[in-house]
Amino acid sequence: KNEVEQSPQNLTAQEGEFITINCSYSVGISALHWLQQHPGGGIVSLFMLSSGKKKHGRLIATINIQEKHSSLHITASHPRDSAVYICAVGGGADGLTFGKGTHLIIQP
Amino acid sequence: DTGVSQDPRHKITKRGQNVTFRCDPISEHNRLYWYRQTLGQGPEFLTYFQNEAQLEKSRLLSDRFSAERPKGSFSTLEIQRTEQGDSAMYLCASSLGRGGHTDTQYFGPGTRLTVL
Repeated sequence: KNEVEQSPQNLTAQEGEFITINCSYSVGISALHWLQQHPGGGIVSLFMLSSGKKKHGRLIATINIQEKHSSLHITASHPRDSAVYICAVGGGADGLTFGKGTHLIIQP
Repeated sequence: DTGVSQDPRHKITKRGQNVTFRCDPISEHNRLYWYRQTLGQGPEFLTYFQNEAQLEKSRLLSDRFSAERPKGSFSTLEIQRTEQGDSAMYLCASSLGRGGHTDTQYFGPGTRLTVL
């Protein structure tokens, strides 16, 4: 079973700061997903990565397959970015395996 | 709204009762997933369907849990003889199903179950 670790668990930053959230996993995978969950439960898929780097607006996601590590970056952070960010990996027999999430608060 | 929908959004039940949840995926999506999320934790995989076939079941899915997707469209998740430990958010997601677990999954709003 793949073990997915995220860091930090909680992060509070000021508006405008550059944010980095990290994800490490233990077993080789076919894809890694970054998800965003707002209070109340709704989950939105941000990225699906199998290699390299993807960018969408102020969000950048990178993955290093050899190191079994991925990062999610937020540039020019804004209070509306406040949410839980979840890393999930796929490729095994049990669907996606999720990290516990990083609770991000951006203060104005 | 053409997203994934779930019904009900909230369910409060007494221990020992049976409950059933429904998920309506995005219409052209072949894969449908059920997850469970407890407070402060990430979601945990329960089971998934490719069309009407249930292809994988997690070890978390005890005999009291059963899921169906009879016509390859909507799915139901039933929990029999509910226990307090079943209290959680039950999430449904769907995907096109062409890329296995690498497809983007689209999540419903979830059903929050409270067992008293």
